[in-house]
Amino acid sequence: GQNIDQPTEMTATEGAIVQINCTYQTSGFNGLFWYQQHAGEAPTFLSYNVLDGLEEKGRFSSFLSRSKGYSYLLLKELQMKDSASYLCAAVDSNYQLIWGAGTKLIIKP
Amino acid sequence: GAVVSQHPSRVICKSGTSVKIECRSLDFQATTMFWYRQFPKKSLMLMATSNEGSKATYEQGVEKDKFLINHASLTLSTLTVTSAHPEDSSFYICSAVSESSYNEQFFGPGTRLTVL
Repeated sequence: GQNIDQPTEMTATEGAIVQINCTYQTSGFNGLFWYQQHAGEAPTFLSYNVLDGLEEKGRFSSFLSRSKGYSYLLLKELQMKDSASYLCAAVDSNYQLIWGAGTKLIIKP
Repeated sequence: GAVVSQHPSRVICKSGTSVKIECRSLDFQATTMFWYRQFPKKSLMLMATSNEGSKATYEQGVEKDKFLINHASLTLSTLTVTSAHPEDSSFYICSAVSESSYNEQFFGPGTRLTVL
């Protein structure tokens, strides 16, 4: 079956760095998305990886290892507004998104 | 970037009535749109895949007669919740696929449905 695993909840301190991990098992693979979702709102796009390696975009970076079925989202210089759920979603062979349950990130001052 | 809109953003209705939710891709054509439902503190649940000009493909456990989906054009898909009941209260989100952008899904802002 298809499966995405990511931690349920993480806590970090304002100004620090946090890494959110995601492992996936899918029928075929056509890339992996990270989305940010604030409570009561639709997800917003953060990153897309289809090739191995690290992609940096400002304070956020995303890494992918296709051979390990593993990705992480790295958030630097954490701000209070970064408190949200972070959703990992892999694209299967039918180009459908297989969603993880999301990681709730709590930022403390 | 690509913009997807949903209307209405919020709706409150009485039990037994039907509610229609529109999803529009504003600046791109989307041959495929997805409808999701989100329960509190849970990830998005795919309800159905909507392809322009053809019948929607429903996920297992989703009643196709209750959640009617129509994808009449390349920029519009509608979800009608028929004979709504309180357990249908949820956050409904649509997304549209931009084939020119790695098949990325662009999400609408969501519609919060409350059935009294």
